[in-house]
Amino acid sequence: QVQLVESGGGVVQPGGSLRLSCAASGIISGTFGSYGMNWVRQAPGKGLEWVAVISFDGSTTHYADSVTGRFTISRDNSKNTLFLQMNSLRDEDTAVYYCTKTVTRVLGYFDFWGQGTLVSVSS
Amino acid sequence: IQMTQSPSSLSASVGDTVTITCRAGQGIGNYVAWYQQRPGEAPKSLIFDASNLQSGVPSKFSGSRSGTDFTLTISSLQPEDFATYYCHQYNRYPYTFGQGTKLEIK
Repeated sequence: QVQLVESGGGVVQPGGSLRLSCAASGIISGTFGSYGMNWVRQAPGKGLEWVAVISFDGSTTHYADSVTGRFTISRDNSKNTLFLQMNSLRDEDTAVYYCTKTVTRVLGYFDFWGQGTLVSVSS
Repeated sequence: IQMTQSPSSLSASVGDTVTITCRAGQGIGNYVAWYQQRPGEAPKSLIFDASNLQSGVPSKFSGSRSGTDFTLTISSLQPEDFATYYCHQYNRYPYTFGQGTKLEIK
C-alpha cells in the first residue's frame, strides 16, 4: 500500500515563502519515478483545487493559473520525494495541501492521497 | 473545463440509494473520477474513467456517463457513507473538481 506523507506546512506572513515535501513509501524501489505526482489544496471549509503536476521524470510541469509564477513543483526520484516551493504567498493560499499520486506517467486520476499539511498565511 | 456538480447537499436515510451528478462544460470523454472525503480526512478514490471501481471500493458505488453528464450512485447507504463527494476531470489541464456534494443523514 502506497503511503504519502506531507511535511513543511506552517504559519507564514504574506509575501513569505515555504517549501512543502511529500515522502512516498510502500512503492516498490525504483517505481516512484514511474508516476506523475500532483499537489491539490483545500481552503478551510471549501472544496478541492488542483495546484500543480509533475511528470514521472520531472521533465514536464503544469500549474493552476492562481499559482503560476509563484509556486514550483519538483521531485527527487532517488529519494521518493515530491516538493512544492511556494513564494510570494498570499492570504488566499491558506489551505491544507495534499500530495497525490497519478496512475500514469503524467495525466490521470489520483489513486493515492497524503494526509495533508496545513499552510496558514497570516500577518 | 468547468465541472458543475449537483446537488450541493443531500439528506438521505440509512438504506437509501442516492445519485450525484456532474456536468462538464465541454466534451471530456470518460476522464472523470469520483472521490469521497470524510470530515477531517483526505479524499479517497472511488471511481475512475467514469465507471471503473477503484480496487477495494465496495460495489455499492457505481459511476456512469451520458454525453457530458456523469453520475455517481451510492446504494444501500450506511453511516460511513455520509461524507462529501467530489467529481474530478482529468482530460486536460488545468484539472478541475466539482464543488462537492455533502451527503447528510436525514
